Amino acid sequence: GNSVTQMEGPVTLSEEAFLTINCTYTATGYPSLFWYVQYPGEGLQLLLKATKADDKGSNKGFEATYRKETTSFHLEKGSVQVSDSAVYFCALSVGAGGTSYGKLTFGQGTILTVHP
Amino acid sequence: DTEVTQTPKHLVMGMTNKKSLKCEQHMGHRAMYWYKQKAKKPPELMFVYSYEKLSINESVPSRFSPECPNSSLLNLHLHALQPEDSALYLCASSRQITSTDTQYFGPGTRLTVL
Repeated sequence: GNSVTQMEGPVTLSEEAFLTINCTYTATGYPSLFWYVQYPGEGLQLLLKATKADDKGSNKGFEATYRKETTSFHLEKGSVQVSDSAVYFCALSVGAGGTSYGKLTFGQGTILTVHP
Repeated sequence: DTEVTQTPKHLVMGMTNKKSLKCEQHMGHRAMYWYKQKAKKPPELMFVYSYEKLSINESVPSRFSPECPNSSLLNLHLHALQPEDSALYLCASSRQITSTDTQYFGPGTRLTVL
């Protein structure tokens, strides 16, 4: 089956620190990979995505590279801000038919808190 | 515009009530989704509609009844719910059901069942 494993949180950082949130996956087929962010009291927002191996997704200073050889999609940001405090979900979607089609498989989520 | 709207924002209902959640998008998307999210957990898929037809039902109890009256609207009818059904219900839409299409989420309806 398909699964996503994220590093356990919560993660607490000081402003301007470097952020890494690890994400690894197992999938039957060739997945697309996503990072979503959920701010308190809100729905999920797409942060970035990658649809094939070696693609790099980037947005708002966040980056993640699709690594097929290590089945990973780690999220990084060089300098976090207090406003980045949120829950981050890594997810995959597998196409090409079957009951997985159109279904997002999420990791457990990582709570990030950034202090001034 | 990548907005998915959901109403109501909050809903409190008793176990014998009937209520409905509404979701709307005007992005021309042909796939729409219902998810359930418990506190501190990832969203769990409930239903997927593609071109107004039910495509996936993740073995959801019949007290949840989805409806897609047109390509812009998605409803979730609730009847005889249990307290454990209290959660955040998220709607999402995507251009089509493919692995590469992004799902855009609404802000959710926070449901409390008494």
